Amino acid sequence: QVQLVQSGAEVKKPGASVKVSCKASGYTFTSYDINWVRQATGQGLEWMGWMNPNSGNTGYAQKFQGRVTMTRNTSISTAYMELSSLRSEDTAVYYCARVGISSSWLFDYWGQGTLVTVSS
Amino acid sequence: SYVLTQPPSVSVAPGQTARITCGGNNIGSKSVHWYQQKPGQAPVLVVYDDSDRPSGIPERFSGSNSGNTATLTISRVEAGDEADYYCQVWDSSSDPHVVFGGGTKLTVL
Repeated sequence: QVQLVQSGAEVKKPGASVKVSCKASGYTFTSYDINWVRQATGQGLEWMGWMNPNSGNTGYAQKFQGRVTMTRNTSISTAYMELSSLRSEDTAVYYCARVGISSSWLFDYWGQGTLVTVSS
Repeated sequence: SYVLTQPPSVSVAPGQTARITCGGNNIGSKSVHWYQQKPGQAPVLVVYDDSDRPSGIPERFSGSNSGNTATLTISRVEAGDEADYYCQVWDSSSDPHVVFGGGTKLTVL
């Protein structure tokens, strides 16, 4: 069965960087785009960007341009999202999500989420 | 950027029908997806491409999309349906490309 398993919770100081991993199993990792979505406590879902695990091509929401980097290691079927220059407003649960087979970017499987807390 | 508007909350008695709307400019021309999110859990896709259901999602969940409003309909509501629901579209011409509605809290009375 398809699974996306994310790394554990992180606590970071303002100005630091965080790198969250998302290990895929149960399907061919390079065949489906991975997106990252975050959710602050009590708030809605916010899309950050996408990555094609086959080519490594990426696209980021303008809000995060210059601060986010999405990469992958195909040998271990793992995607990564690194966010730099962290501030308190970045405190949120970060999800990876697989784009299903559709022309309209639906997210058919999600990771369990990784809580990133930014605090001095 | 493209904006999706959802009511913050909807309440319904068990066994009744819940309708959750998602408003957007000419949203009828886009494919709309709906997610259910229970506290402490990741979102789950319940309706995609306006009205299709993933395998394992009950037939009680259905969707429609026309004009400026998409609607998620949950028939014969159960206590277990209480959750937050989000609509989502993809718009390649906007930034961000993927847009979520603000979410609707469904309360089962």
